Amino acid sequence: QVQLVQSGAEVKKAGASVKVSCKTSGYTFNNYVISWVRQAPGQGLEWMGWISGFNGKTNYAQKFQGRVTMSTDTSTNTAYMELTSLKSDDTALYYCAREGGYCSSSSCYTHFDYWGQGTLVTVSS
Amino acid sequence: QSVLTQPPSVSAAPGQKVTISCSGSSSNIGNNYVSWYQQFPGTAPKLLIYDSDKRPSGIPDRFSGSKSATSATLDITGLQTGDEADYYCGTWESSLSTWVFGGGTKLTVL
Repeated sequence: QVQLVQSGAEVKKAGASVKVSCKTSGYTFNNYVISWVRQAPGQGLEWMGWISGFNGKTNYAQKFQGRVTMSTDTSTNTAYMELTSLKSDDTALYYCAREGGYCSSSSCYTHFDYWGQGTLVTVSS
Repeated sequence: QSVLTQPPSVSAAPGQKVTISCSGSSSNIGNNYVSWYQQFPGTAPKLLIYDSDKRPSGIPDRFSGSKSATSATLDITGLQTGDEADYYCGTWESSLSTWVFGGGTKLTVL
């Protein structure tokens, strides 16, 4: 069965960086994209970007450009999300999610079919 | 302010039907598929509907989705107390090349 298992909770000081891992199993890693979605306390879902399990190509949401780096380790089928220059409003649950579907040259017909359990990142000042 | 607009809350009695709307524009819902997610407190979202109207295996047929022009709806029939959760719509925003979500709708089963 498909599983995405994330690393444990983190507490960081403002200005620091955090790196969250997402270890996948139960499917061919190279065939799918992994997205990262975060949820601040009591708030909705916010997409941060995705990374291809095939070639490592990334697409980051404009809001996070310059602060986020997504990477993969195909030897362990693990995806990573690193966020730098942390601020208090980066306190959130961070989820990895597998994207099913496909993208054309101009659009994406995808959905998030499997999710990790979430990693709480707390940023203190 | 979310790109996709959902009502903050809806409510209905057990056994009744509820509809959750998701309004967007031509650059998102109008030209892409919509998916819906169910989230219970303290847990990860779960895929309920994909490609606007398809159910993953294991999702009861009480849940159905549809799309028309720049809006989408999630219908839940035969409401159960266990359906109380937050529901999110999401789709691709072609103008920004990003994924966008609605602000979420809290369902209360009275």
